[in-house]
Amino acid sequence: DVVMTQSPLSLPVTLGQPASISCRSSQSLVYSDGNTYLNWFQQRPGQSPRRLIYKVSNRDSGVPDRFSGSGSGTDFTLKISRVEAEDVGVYYCMQGTHWPWTFGQGTKVEIK
Amino acid sequence: QVQLVESGGGLVKPGGSLRLSCAASGFTFSDYYMSWIRQAPGKGLEWVSYISSSGSTIYYADSVKGRFTISRDNAKNSLYLQMNSLRAEDTAVYYCALMTGWGQGTLVTVSS
Repeated sequence: DVVMTQSPLSLPVTLGQPASISCRSSQSLVYSDGNTYLNWFQQRPGQSPRRLIYKVSNRDSGVPDRFSGSGSGTDFTLKISRVEAEDVGVYYCMQGTHWPWTFGQGTKVEIK
Repeated sequence: QVQLVESGGGLVKPGGSLRLSCAASGFTFSDYYMSWIRQAPGKGLEWVSYISSSGSTIYYADSVKGRFTISRDNAKNSLYLQMNSLRAEDTAVYYCALMTGWGQGTLVTVSS
């Protein structure tokens, strides 16, 4: 199985400051069709997860533009340009290239 | 707007069975692949099973293979998960998910 490794696992941030989460996969996530199926999900406290980013860098509808995704191959990053209070929660990367699909361990974002 | 409503969770003894259901609305259910994803209490996300839009392609996580069966009824806009030979480690909130939308989850507790 593809192992997804996130860092850090805990991320205290100051409101209005940037935040960055790294996600590394144990093998390349480039699929045979040329796409890279790397997603980012946000899970706010007490809520179901929701997808923020798909195929590395595409924001889902309704996702604020302060969220951005980047990366390639095995190395990916989720960035929040200016953290707001509503961004508190756990963030997961997930690969959808290889079966079984696998998630990272999650990164807990909290306000300092 | 995507709506997914799970039901069927509850307390079951080890070795027992449960059938989860997911009622879908707000999108053309028969056009989309669906998944079951679970989250053990206080833990991260684990993808459990996938079914293609027609039901012809199905995948399972190794941890549930041979014990769980995913199915769908496109005429009823419904997704199912038959869970047999349940173990304590299957205790989790089970989410019905289309990657762009998740249900609120249903809790399955396996305990004697």
